[in-house]
Amino acid sequence: QQQVKQSPQSLIVQKGGISIINCAYENTAFDYFPWYQQFPGKGPALLIAIRPDVSEKKEGRFTISFNKSAKQFSLHIMDSQPGDSATYFCAATFYSGTYKYIFGTGTRLKVLA
Amino acid sequence: DVKVTQSSRYLVKRTGEKVFLECVQDMDHENMFWYRQDPGLGLRLIYFSYDVKMKEKGDIPEGYSVSREKKERFSLILESASTNQTSMYLCASSLLGQGGTEAFFGQGTRLTVV
Repeated sequence: QQQVKQSPQSLIVQKGGISIINCAYENTAFDYFPWYQQFPGKGPALLIAIRPDVSEKKEGRFTISFNKSAKQFSLHIMDSQPGDSATYFCAATFYSGTYKYIFGTGTRLKVLA
Repeated sequence: DVKVTQSSRYLVKRTGEKVFLECVQDMDHENMFWYRQDPGLGLRLIYFSYDVKMKEKGDIPEGYSVSREKKERFSLILESASTNQTSMYLCASSLLGQGGTEAFFGQGTRLTVV
């Protein structure tokens, strides 16, 4: 199954709070799990990524938690800021002649000042 | 600074017109992709290419074709535009690497078909 299911569709968080976005997948051939951040009027840009041989990756306020047995991964944004307000996409890649990217449906995050 | 450049930010075309969306990358990437972005549906893959003159269908290729005559350029063609092709179109490129590599996106082309 070449899908990545993402939730929630939208999220409102107070400044300083924790934002959590979840993704789930079925295909065990997925081998790279990036998160992309998209601001209005811009293309998505890589935020942080993880490979399935680690359970967590942290970069500043952004952390990916990865649960291989449950086929789930999540993005945690600590101390959320109004500047984090954007749309976030989880993704997964797999090899089929070349590496293809499968994206989740996106989460629109709004951080209130 | 690496770049994926899409030729137009906004386009308005009439139903039935042939539409060309152009994308150029300056990173010498083997892979190039065209996605369509619609609210609630995320990014859906239309076509991709991993080499010059090579193309593969993605998940929603109907009504579209592509051309890759040079490594740096990947064009999306709407043979006969229809109103249901009104959308945001995103081009991306990536290295042909093992284990997945970062995809770089252009700024998008918002196409309106009237």
